[in-house]
Amino acid sequence: QITLKESGPTLVKPTQTLTLTCTFSGFSLSTSGVGVGWIRQPPGKALEWLALIYWDDDKRYSPSLKSRLTITKDTSKNQVVLTMTNMDPVDTATYYCAHRPTDVWGKGTTVTVSS
Amino acid sequence: DIQMTQSPSSLSASVGDRVTITCQASQDISNYLNWYQQKPGKAPKLLIYDASNLETGVPSRFSGSGSGTDFTFTISSLQPEDIATYYCQQYDNLRLTFGGGTKVEIK
Repeated sequence: QITLKESGPTLVKPTQTLTLTCTFSGFSLSTSGVGVGWIRQPPGKALEWLALIYWDDDKRYSPSLKSRLTITKDTSKNQVVLTMTNMDPVDTATYYCAHRPTDVWGKGTTVTVSS
Repeated sequence: DIQMTQSPSSLSASVGDRVTITCQASQDISNYLNWYQQKPGKAPKLLIYDASNLETGVPSRFSGSGSGTDFTFTISSLQPEDIATYYCQQYDNLRLTFGGGTKVEIK
């Protein structure tokens, strides 16, 4: 059974860097074809895809946020880490990680950006 | 980058009605399209993958069709538990893109 769980700070200040961790089980990120992605959803708004890392370390980013995002994986720990720099109140959202290709999602973690 | 235009943004229908949502891709994505259901406070749930395949355990009143740039999601007989926001998502080019969502309400 594939499960994913997001973790990280619930509150960050403007201009700070956000680091989120996705810890997963039920699959290996060294298996061909597998990836883990990050998606966010501001309160009351639509889903927005952020980044995705594949088993071969291929990394893809949202063009609009690419300059602020870094995604990495630690296969031995079954974790994927997303960092987002220069946080702003508009980045307040629920952040989800999800498995590709099954598209199983974690429950999400809420991040508020406020001074 | 591939853009997904979903319509309508909201709709109101009666229990038992047929509900249709459309999603248009800005370029050919073959059948690389998912449909999700999201209820308030919950993570999205995959309903349809590869444009027309029903995810295991999903009721058969949900269906999807289309290929290329034009896709349709249908609820054949709307039930009270179907009240949610529905999203399309393309996965054609190793990047993902979501549609803007359709909020479905009961009339």
